This record gives sequence, C-alpha cells and structure tokens, in this order.
Amino acid sequence: GNSVTQMEGPVTLSEEAFLTINCTYTATGYPSLFWYVQYPGEGLQLLLKATKADDKGSNKGFEATYRKETTSFHLEKGSVQVSDSAVYFCARRTTDSWGKLQFGAGTQVVVTP
Amino acid sequence: GAVVSQHPSRVICKSGTSVKIECRSLDFQATTMFWYRQFPKQSLMLMATSNEGSKATYEQGVEKDKFLINHASLTLSTLTVTSAHPEDSSFYICSARPTGKRYTEAFFGQGTRLTVV
Repeated sequence: GNSVTQMEGPVTLSEEAFLTINCTYTATGYPSLFWYVQYPGEGLQLLLKATKADDKGSNKGFEATYRKETTSFHLEKGSVQVSDSAVYFCARRTTDSWGKLQFGAGTQVVVTP
Repeated sequence: GAVVSQHPSRVICKSGTSVKIECRSLDFQATTMFWYRQFPKQSLMLMATSNEGSKATYEQGVEKDKFLINHASLTLSTLTVTSAHPEDSSFYICSARPTGKRYTEAFFGQGTRLTVV
C-alpha cells in the first residue's frame, strides 16, 4: 500500500478561510516528512519539512507538526489567499541509503476571492 | 538557493522517435538525482534513481531500455525516452540532492511536458 495517505481534493475555500490538509504516513523508523506545493504547469517547490518527532515545520504561514503517536503531518494555514491555490503533496523520505521521496496522491486547493 | 533546471520545458515528438530531457543542478553538485513521472491530476511516481558514474536504479515496472538514464557528471543527468509512443506522453520531473548532504532535501526541476503524437 501507499506509504503516504492524504485527503482527497479538491478543497475549495474562500479567501481568509482556515485550511487543513490531512496527511498520515506508514511508520518505518523515523522518516523525514515534507510538504511540497505544485503550481499549474510547474515542478514542485518545498514548502516545509520536519525531520523528527514533535518538530514543527513552517513557511509562508503554513505549518505542520510531526506527530509520531498518530503518524501524521497535517498541513495548516490560518488564512489562505487566492495565490495559495495549488496542489499540495505530502511526502516521506525512505530511511534507506537512497533517501527516496514517497508522495501522497496530492490535494488540490482552490481559493476563491 | 539551490536551483535545478530541466530542459526542455515542453516537447512534442512523433511516435517512434527518441527524446532527451536534461536535468542540471546549477549551483551545486549532485551525486544523486531522481526521475519522476506524473500523469494528469495524479501524484509523482518515482521512475529511477540516477547516480553519477554508475548505472541508474530503476523502480519496479519501469523499462530500463525504454527510459535511458545517464548521469555523466555531478551536475547533469539525462533521461532519454526511446521509441516514444503516445502512452509515454506525461509530465517528467527530476530532482537533485546536493552531494554529501544525505539528510537534506532534494530540489526539483520545473518539469518537462512530453507529448507524443
């Protein structure tokens, strides 16, 4: 099965609304966890990351906390903007020597004015 | 910041021809680069891990003879789609991890949209 599971989209919000995108991962060791954002027609940009339990990654108003007890890494933003419309991917890095990224299915977020 | 450049960003080719996609790390060296494929509205699927100076490691189900990967220098990896067919049409994305920094993140190129007609 997939190592990373995130909520399905699309998620449609009004500007200034609160955003949460759930992400859970399979726990093999203590993988580093990431959120990436993809704007239409572009590659991926790293949004934030956390490398150990209880770490909180934050960037551009987005936050996510590495929760070992619930194997979760939910993404939150308190007040979204239209420019936050994109697809968001949760990812974990394998703990082997390759350090590959395993991605969730992606969640499209649409923010309306 | 670290920049990864992919070229071309878009390419249209005829069925049966080959297409080469380049992935360059512009301001850092990358011993390891990764190639992904993304279908519309879907996630990224890892195709192969490319290591400078050695053979690429392909994921299960990926045809190594169809998707040729060469990582001849610490700043360049290439993916060649040989004898392309319409089903190879997709968005291909590379990422590169800085050498010597195993536990840091990899940086992504902007992707290449391949359309086979």
